[in-house]
Amino acid sequence: EAGVAQSPRYKIIEKRQSVAFWCNPISGHATLYWYQQILGQGPKLLIQFQNNGVVDDSQLPKDRFSAERLKGVDSTLKIQPAKLEDSAVYLCASSLGMGPGNQPQHFGDGTRLSIL
Amino acid sequence: AQSVAQPEDQVNVAEGNPLTVKCTYSVSGNPYLFWYVQYPNRGLQFLLKYITGDNLVKGSYGFEAEFNKSQTSFHLKKPSALVSDSALYFCAVRYSGNTPLVFGKGTRLSVIA
Repeated sequence: EAGVAQSPRYKIIEKRQSVAFWCNPISGHATLYWYQQILGQGPKLLIQFQNNGVVDDSQLPKDRFSAERLKGVDSTLKIQPAKLEDSAVYLCASSLGMGPGNQPQHFGDGTRLSIL
Repeated sequence: AQSVAQPEDQVNVAEGNPLTVKCTYSVSGNPYLFWYVQYPNRGLQFLLKYITGDNLVKGSYGFEAEFNKSQTSFHLKKPSALVSDSALYFCAVRYSGNTPLVFGKGTRLSVIA
């Protein structure tokens, strides 16, 4: 099966600019996650969707970050305006659903964002 | 709050030797535990997960993990390491399908030929 697709792979912008990332999950996966992975750390959940509804966005910096999954499939994550501390890899993941807690998440290759 | 600890930033092992990457978790209910591997410039790949009742879990690429409830540990093991196993390994925990997956900081495994 096709994996989680993300684009772009790399992005370099200046601080205070805007940027958007795109994710296409595995077909049939109802749950979609966006993670931020800062160099030397494990991924940190930013937002979780179940179909097109938000389940958890408690760690999303809502003053600058936004995300949507309008039709319950693809998702976009936006940062506006970007700060230097936003430099990280942004990972998208998907899973079948929110059933048992032991369902694994499948990750895309991420977007590496560098803020100058 | 749920959390995991990976006490080693780096593990070095000679090719052909057994390897262990350590993980401990905070005590709160019955955890769901996972191991993921990350190769350079790639996303995380699922290796294995803990299922209640199976203290020794077998996963992908010859990896296995041993669940120890009394020590609240879920160490990753492999009987014979390969150079191609060199990567970043993450332990993760959640306590239900509705809670976020919380990752450790990662352990870099280096297998030397």
